[in-house]
Amino acid sequence: AQSVTQPDIHITVSEGASLELRCNYSYGATPYLFWYVQSPGQGLQLLLKYFSGDTLVQGIKGFEAEFKRSQSSFNLRKPSVHWSDAAEYFCAVGGNTGKLIFGQGTTLQVKP
Amino acid sequence: GAVVSQHPSRVICKSGTSVKIECRSLDFQATTMFWYRQFPKQSLMLMATSNEGSKATYEQGVEKDKFLINHASLTLSTLTVTSAHPEDSSFYICSARLWADEQFFGPGTRLTVL
Repeated sequence: AQSVTQPDIHITVSEGASLELRCNYSYGATPYLFWYVQSPGQGLQLLLKYFSGDTLVQGIKGFEAEFKRSQSSFNLRKPSVHWSDAAEYFCAVGGNTGKLIFGQGTTLQVKP
Repeated sequence: GAVVSQHPSRVICKSGTSVKIECRSLDFQATTMFWYRQFPKQSLMLMATSNEGSKATYEQGVEKDKFLINHASLTLSTLTVTSAHPEDSSFYICSARLWADEQFFGPGTRLTVL
């Protein structure tokens, strides 16, 4: 079955601290992997994506993610979190049809 | 960047009425749009794929007669929730596919059925 698991429902980090959001997937074909951020009242914004090539991908706002095929993971990282990063983060997997399967999301809270 | 709008952003209706939600790609043409449903504190669930000029493709378990989708032009797809009931209350999100590998999301529509 195709699925995405984000094990952490809620994470709290201090401003300036590093961040890692976990994502594991199950997909029958070569996956296209995405991380989106959702802020209240706004649409999902793409942070980064992986299709092929270098397994470490850089995204917007200082985020990066690493694709590890052996672990079926695509974890999102940021070396230093800003208060404005507080939001809901979604990992998604899809293929060339464009259909996306989303994880349950991780709510990030940033402490001052 | 590519912009997708949804209208209305919020709607409250009585049980038994129908509600139409519009999804527009403002600065690009999209042959494919997607409709998702999001429950509070939960993930987005794909409801259907909307293809311009053809019938929508619904995901398993989604009632096509309940959720009518029309993709009449390259910039507009509509979702009509027919005979809405309280259990249809949810956050509905559309996305429009620009390239093969990227789609852009609308801000969502909050539907509350009384």
